[in-house]
Amino acid sequence: GAVVSQHPSWVICKSGTSVKIECRSLDFQATTMFWYRQFPKQSLMLMATSNEGSKATYEQGVEKDKFLINHASLTLSTLTVTSAHPEDSSFYICSAPTTSGGWAYNEQFFGPGTRLTVL
Amino acid sequence: GNSVTQMEGPVTLSEEAFLTINCTYTATGYPSLFWYVQYPGEGLQLLLKATKADDKGSNKGFEATYRKETTSFHLEKGSVQVSDSAVYFCALSGAPITGGFKTIFGAGTRPFVKA
Repeated sequence: GAVVSQHPSWVICKSGTSVKIECRSLDFQATTMFWYRQFPKQSLMLMATSNEGSKATYEQGVEKDKFLINHASLTLSTLTVTSAHPEDSSFYICSAPTTSGGWAYNEQFFGPGTRLTVL
Repeated sequence: GNSVTQMEGPVTLSEEAFLTINCTYTATGYPSLFWYVQYPGEGLQLLLKATKADDKGSNKGFEATYRKETTSFHLEKGSVQVSDSAVYFCALSGAPITGGFKTIFGAGTRPFVKA
């Protein structure tokens, strides 16, 4: 199946610094990618939809100036957490849908996640 | 809007017991339905899916049937193993009329299987 990678897998940073997380589709092209946040023992919260060649679409309540998304190519999307604070500590997951078979399938391939800890 | 409701637990089972995790959904149009599984320390992976009413998805001994009349997609396995201890997420993805690829997840259910 399709493979999505994330880098780094974990990162620790000081409060006030910025952190960039990369999401790559390794063997397919993804014009759309999604960024989620997962709190311990909770479900995935969709943060934004990353669109290649255009601006990201953010979900209600997500600060676009704090979580910068850039979809630089058909295989790469990046999430930058700017001026990180301890409350930004979380597990960040990206995914990319496959369009195989048409819209009806919409299966998502998930990256392994990035654990961010802000001190 | 679209939503997914699944039983949360805790769910504790003995090995070889029958497992059911309930999932119901609310959606306009004709969504695709999925079960994703997240093993400890790993990312989510697709377990099974169904794209239209009465379809049955199956994989690794798990099954779920897309029931439009009851708007449900319950996950079942006849004989669970310790290795099935994971978090299971029910999810739906909208029809083009409601936004295409965006996936909505349930809260997740974590069955604990005892040997």
